[in-house]
Amino acid sequence: QKEVEQNSGPLSVPEGAIASLNCTYSDRGSQSFFWYRQYSGKSPELIMFIYSNGDKEDGRFTAQLNKASQYVSLLIRDSQPSDSATYLCAVNAKTSYDKVIFGPGTSLSVIP
Amino acid sequence: EAQVTQNPRYLITVTGKKLTVTCSQNMNHEYMSWYRQDPGLGLRQIYYSMNVEVTDKGDVPEGYKVSRKEKRNFPLILESPSPNQTSLYFCASSSQRSNYGYTFGSGTRLTVV
Repeated sequence: QKEVEQNSGPLSVPEGAIASLNCTYSDRGSQSFFWYRQYSGKSPELIMFIYSNGDKEDGRFTAQLNKASQYVSLLIRDSQPSDSATYLCAVNAKTSYDKVIFGPGTSLSVIP
Repeated sequence: EAQVTQNPRYLITVTGKKLTVTCSQNMNHEYMSWYRQDPGLGLRQIYYSMNVEVTDKGDVPEGYKVSRKEKRNFPLILESPSPNQTSLYFCASSSQRSNYGYTFGSGTRLTVV
């Protein structure tokens, strides 16, 4: 089992819709969870981090964490064409708190 | 401007010729890390450093070396590059270990022929 899994996509949503991106992780001891956005040919940029169970909102983005289910998600409300990118889920490793493991990413396409 | 600077952006080299990719950050971050990104494999951690003179292996350290003599710099050394090290490399830094997420450099696209 891979340590961090995401649906590879591509995920297509119409402009203005809610995009839902999902991520599961294998290490129950993981404590920090991150979402990054990566445009084609560019470096990843941090969107959100979350540590506690529940929801965390920042503008149009909401991160949701459920440690019991080992599941973290990212919701993008009012999706815009500029949101079209690959979204990377990242988790700190149980074995070493300083080791961060990335998922393979989900490609999102927002259709005007 | 707070940033992580990598050089060079693009590099083509031959098998066995030693090379160094530099990484420097101006945010006084303790934590720095190197990743490689390959199609279908995602971002994989090569090495990371928690502070000056403190480094540890990531998931794919074979064929790479690092050093952290100064807080701001974390160079990646390939002493004898091979074609399977052709990849896109990212340096990243973070304050307070990895709790608050990384700031990434712009990347170095390395081709080994």
